[in-house]
Amino acid sequence: TQLLEQSPQFLSIQEGENLTVYCNSSSVFSSLQWYRQEPGEGPVLLVTVVTGGEVKKLKRLTFQFGDARKDSSLHITAAQPGDTGLYLCAGSSSNTGKLIFGQGTTLQVKP
Amino acid sequence: GAVVSQHPSWVICKSGTSVKIECRSLDFQATTMFWYRQFPKQSLMLMATSNEGSKATYEQGVEKDKFLINHASLTLSTLTVTSAHPEDSSFYICSTQGGRGRSTDTQYFGPGTRLTVL
Repeated sequence: TQLLEQSPQFLSIQEGENLTVYCNSSSVFSSLQWYRQEPGEGPVLLVTVVTGGEVKKLKRLTFQFGDARKDSSLHITAAQPGDTGLYLCAGSSSNTGKLIFGQGTTLQVKP
Repeated sequence: GAVVSQHPSWVICKSGTSVKIECRSLDFQATTMFWYRQFPKQSLMLMATSNEGSKATYEQGVEKDKFLINHASLTLSTLTVTSAHPEDSSFYICSTQGGRGRSTDTQYFGPGTRLTVL
């Protein structure tokens, strides 16, 4: 069974601080997606990483896919209150096409 | 813009009644859709894979007779919660995968449906 361990599960920081969220697995994924979800809404795709070692940047967000395609990280620079939300990583199984979700990271950025 | 819609966005029903939730793919024909449920402050849990023209594939522990899935067309999948009970109260989210110009690995999610069973 493929599992994705996401950490931390809760994070409360002050505006302007940096943070990193990690997703780790013993399994290899064909790709990995990061989503952001606000209360009462569906997850919104932030990025898909496909190639081992790949780094993608989205404004203040930096996403990295591990060389072995088993882990990924999301780094936010100078967090803002608007970054508050639930961040979800999800690995795509090449065998089934299903997404394996991490437990999620609830981020609160205080002004 | 949105690629997946859901209806209704929220529903309140009495225990014992059935509730139907619709999921529509707005911009491409989706042969496969997915249904998830999510409890407060938790991640998404896959319930089933909806396949157009064939039976849905349910995840272990999900009662197929309670959660009826019908993929009636290439743009519509429905989830019916039969004889709903308070423990079925949850946030139900559907997704599609792939589409024109998009990665086949990536899923795009609907806005979700909040079900409250009294």
